[in-house]
Amino acid sequence: EEQLVESGGGLVQPGGSLRLSCAGSGFTFGNCEMIWVRQAPGKGLEWVAFISGGGNSIDHADSVKGRFTISRDNAKNFLYLQLRDLKPEDTAVYYCATSGPFIPAFDAFDIWGQGTMVLVSS
Amino acid sequence: ETVLTQSPGTLSLSPGDTATLSCRASQSVTNNYLAWYQQKPGQAPRLLIHGASSRAPGIPDRVSGSGSGTDFTLTISRLEPEDFAVYYCQQYGRSPRYSFGQGTKVEIK
Repeated sequence: EEQLVESGGGLVQPGGSLRLSCAGSGFTFGNCEMIWVRQAPGKGLEWVAFISGGGNSIDHADSVKGRFTISRDNAKNFLYLQLRDLKPEDTAVYYCATSGPFIPAFDAFDIWGQGTMVLVSS
Repeated sequence: ETVLTQSPGTLSLSPGDTATLSCRASQSVTNNYLAWYQQKPGQAPRLLIHGASSRAPGIPDRVSGSGSGTDFTLTISRLEPEDFAVYYCQQYGRSPRYSFGQGTKVEIK
């Protein structure tokens, strides 16, 4: 069964840093493009970052560009999101997601983790 | 920048009713790469529709997607108790690569 499990969330002060991890299993991890999506409390979904299967193409939302960095280690089946210079408005549940074999264009996402909470507060 | 606007914000319906949700894009969606998700409290989103009209595996045929270009619709017929949730549309394109609508809540009347 395809599975994604996030970890690394927690309470951090404004200006602080955090690294989120996402472990993949049950599928060929290195073949899959992956994204991070976040959801602030009581709010909607916001795309945060994208990375290609090989890791050579990345893209970040304007709201996090220059502060967050997506990366991956295909040998370990892990996806990462490095968060720096955190602001209270970055408080959210962060999800990693990817597409199963019936969505080859990676235009939509049917495999999601359970999410990890990041709280930015002093 | 492609902005997705969903309407209505809230839909109050009874079990057995039909829900019709709209998603309008500020510019044409590339290759009609428009998806719909259902989300319940405390859960990750669940993919319902991709490519505007293709059902994801396991999604019943009373759930359907339609539309092209800038106007898309999600229709859920014969609403069941488990259908009451928040629904999001999502596009895949160039700028930004992905974006979501603000969501439509389908609540029990």
